Amino acid sequence: GQQVMQIPQYQHVQEGEDFTTYCNSSTTLSNIQWYKQRPGGHPVFLIQLVKSGEVKKQKRLTFQFGEAKKNSSLHITATQTTDVGTYFCATMDSSYKLIFGSGTRLLVRP
Amino acid sequence: EAGVTQSPTHLIKTRGQQATLRCSPISGHTSVYWYQQALGLGLQFLLWYDEGEERNRGNFPPRFSGRQFPNYSSELNVNALELEDSALYLCASSPLGYEQYFGPGTRLTVT
Repeated sequence: GQQVMQIPQYQHVQEGEDFTTYCNSSTTLSNIQWYKQRPGGHPVFLIQLVKSGEVKKQKRLTFQFGEAKKNSSLHITATQTTDVGTYFCATMDSSYKLIFGSGTRLLVRP
Repeated sequence: EAGVTQSPTHLIKTRGQQATLRCSPISGHTSVYWYQQALGLGLQFLLWYDEGEERNRGNFPPRFSGRQFPNYSSELNVNALELEDSALYLCASSPLGYEQYFGPGTRLTVT
């Protein structure tokens, strides 16, 4: 079945530094979704990308979908302590099942 | 607009017992998904219900089952509980094919 691999598993940054998490698949993805889960919380939808080469921005967050639609990235500029949490990528397969990556846990030192 | 609600918040059971978890989707959403998130791990897809029918299930044994009611709320049942069933169980609702909205989860502890 479809799988998405996510790296790194953990990232510990100083507040103000940038952060990037990557999501990769061996097969072409029809879409990619990104979610954020705060410690002790539940996943919250951030964005969906569907087009090859698509780039979307939400304030300090930049989301990209690769040209071949096999990879995606989430980049946070100038991290803040409020960015702490685990970021998951996910893809919806043809049966409407959402397949999640393993997540990247972001820790921010104040 | 009210979000996805789940009950109970916490549930403590002993091995061999049965657990029932409940979920109410966002009004207007017909799809309900269930996920298991073991401590510190990712989300594993359990079950998907839409319009009252089970549409898909993940790689879990048959003792994980559920149903969806006419008002689109859903119930997850776990029979013959095992220690490794201890996890956060998340419910999500969605307009079919779009992003999913998660509830706060039920923390199940099996002792």
